[in-house]
Amino acid sequence: DGGITQSPKYLFRKEGQNVTLSCEQNLNHDAMYWYRQDPGQGLRLIYYSQIVNDFQKGDIAEGYSVSREKKESFPLTVTSAQKNPTAFYLCASSTPGDRGSYNEQFFGPGTRLTVL
Amino acid sequence: RKEVEQDPGPFNVPEGATVAFNCTYSNSASQSFFWYRQDCRKEPKLLMSVYSSGNEDGRFTAQLNRASQYISLLIRDSKLSDSATYLCVVKVESGSEKLVFGKGTKLTVNP
Repeated sequence: DGGITQSPKYLFRKEGQNVTLSCEQNLNHDAMYWYRQDPGQGLRLIYYSQIVNDFQKGDIAEGYSVSREKKESFPLTVTSAQKNPTAFYLCASSTPGDRGSYNEQFFGPGTRLTVL
Repeated sequence: RKEVEQDPGPFNVPEGATVAFNCTYSNSASQSFFWYRQDCRKEPKLLMSVYSSGNEDGRFTAQLNRASQYISLLIRDSKLSDSATYLCVVKVESGSEKLVFGKGTKLTVNP
């Protein structure tokens, strides 16, 4: 089955530790995204990548880092510089559309990170 | 003005009711529009894209008014299983892959 997987589902870390969240897709999508969702808030874009070996900062990139060495994989590292890392992290992917087409994104199940 | 704003909700309706959600967007150059559904503690899932001419999918109808920069979602004959948070989503930049999400409107359908 094609889809997006994120692991782990729940993650606990001590303050000051870096942690890497996994995101893998077998949909052959070119673009991948990382969002953060806090209670009662909309999704906020952290980083996105439209092709391998290239990525751009989103609206809240500070304290995060990513890599895109393979088309299928877009891991996110939450560093100790991120002030409030406890959140629900969602990975998504999409195909670039032609002019005027629709670029819906498909989401993985998410990782709930709690920093103690 | 926020890029995408939705009714704050929450909406509590009885089964069988018709409910409408509204959304406004600030960037007149926005090109693509979607409604996503998010169940509690789950990932968002695409409910439907919103086309300029309006579109319908079963009990769900989406409409777009570009002049007013307004999007709506109508749910008819609501079911218990429609209970979720509904997210209004807009692609705001030409040539960009970025989507902007509204905060969502929570719907609870009661027996």
